[in-house]
Amino acid sequence: EAQVTQNPRYLITVTGKKLTVTCSQNMNHEYMSWYRQDPGLGLRQIYYSMNVEVTDKGDVPEGYKVSRKEKRNFPLILESPSPNQTSLYFCASTWGGNTGELFFGEGSRLTVL
Amino acid sequence: GQNIDQPTEMTATEGAIVQINCTYQTSGFNGLFWYQQHAGEAPTFLSYNVLDGLEEKGRFSSFLSRSKGYSYLLLKELQMKDSASYLCAVTVTSGTYKYIFGTGTRLKVLA
Repeated sequence: EAQVTQNPRYLITVTGKKLTVTCSQNMNHEYMSWYRQDPGLGLRQIYYSMNVEVTDKGDVPEGYKVSRKEKRNFPLILESPSPNQTSLYFCASTWGGNTGELFFGEGSRLTVL
Repeated sequence: GQNIDQPTEMTATEGAIVQINCTYQTSGFNGLFWYQQHAGEAPTFLSYNVLDGLEEKGRFSSFLSRSKGYSYLLLKELQMKDSASYLCAVTVTSGTYKYIFGTGTRLKVLA
């Protein structure tokens, strides 16, 4: 089954404790991206990757890092989480740069205390 | 800057037709997407417009006017299951390959 898988789905952590949210897709998509969704602000793109070893900032990259060492995986790293990073995070992938429909993971709800 | 506007909330009756508007101001416009998102779930793709005109897909249609920076999503024969948020998203190619989303329109379908 074609899918995007994120882990963990739910996480409560404390300020400053590094964490990684994993994302994996099995559709051989070149383009992968991360979003955060907050009430009243909608989905905002954090980072995207056009292909292996090619990443670029979205609109809200501060406090986040990403890597794309393999085509299928695109982890989101919070080196020192802060309460303002409490949010619902989605990973998504597509083919053909940013001209294709996004396939989303189920989301990861992160709470930073 | 990049800006996408949609109404925050709309209400309609089962069986009716509803039009959700989206206006955008972006640089390097590539195409416009509509996604549906039920509460607590991930967004799912509804439609894609890159050229001016109407794209029809069953009960859903989407229209684009590039010169006016305007799109709408038309939902016909509304059903209770259409109660969801509808997200307008624009892709840009002016040196970047971003997806930019509007804040979404929450649609309530009443019996």
